[in-house]
Amino acid sequence: GQQVMQIPQYQHVQEGEDFTTYCNSSTTLSNIQWYKQRPGGHPVFLIQLVKSGEVKKQKRLTFQFGEAKKNSSLHITATQTTDVGTYFCAGNTGNQFYFGTGTSLTVIP
Amino acid sequence: DAGVIQSPRHEVTEMGQEVTLRCKPISGHNSLFWYRQTMMRGLELLIYFNNNVPIDDSGMPEDRFSAKMPNASFSTLKIQPSEPRDSAVYFCASSFGQEGSPLHFGNGTRLTVT
Repeated sequence: GQQVMQIPQYQHVQEGEDFTTYCNSSTTLSNIQWYKQRPGGHPVFLIQLVKSGEVKKQKRLTFQFGEAKKNSSLHITATQTTDVGTYFCAGNTGNQFYFGTGTSLTVIP
Repeated sequence: DAGVIQSPRHEVTEMGQEVTLRCKPISGHNSLFWYRQTMMRGLELLIYFNNNVPIDDSGMPEDRFSAKMPNASFSTLKIQPSEPRDSAVYFCASSFGQEGSPLHFGNGTRLTVT
């Protein structure tokens, strides 16, 4: 069945360091979405990537969708304490969303 | 915009009791999803509705779980009888438009079954 794997599971960084999380799907995706969940909160939509090789930026966040539409990455430049939370990718085929296992980011001030 | 509204926020119940979780999607959204989140299994899709019709319930763990969407503004997820392993945070999410549109999550219901 469809699987979406995400690595790493946990990441601790010093404030100001960069952070990257990777997402891999066992099958080709229609699109991929990224969500952020703050501790004790609910997932909040960040962005959607649709095209093969697409790159999108949101301030310090850079999102990439692989050429084969099976993998994706989220890179945060110069992390801040407000970046703390768990980042999920969600691979989409039709109306099915397959959430990755998430990467929990801790930022040490 | 009130967002997706879930109730209750917290539910503590004893094993064997019936539990009903409620969700009001964002007005105008035509798809509704129920997810369960645990440390061990992450975010699991239980069931989703499109235009009030259940489309895929393959994620529903077993017959103890049932979900309904009697109209476009209300859905319930029922567990009867509840078991300790059902303890989790249950999220409802809704989306609008074509397939694959972004999900808007509610604040979740934290269920503890003792």
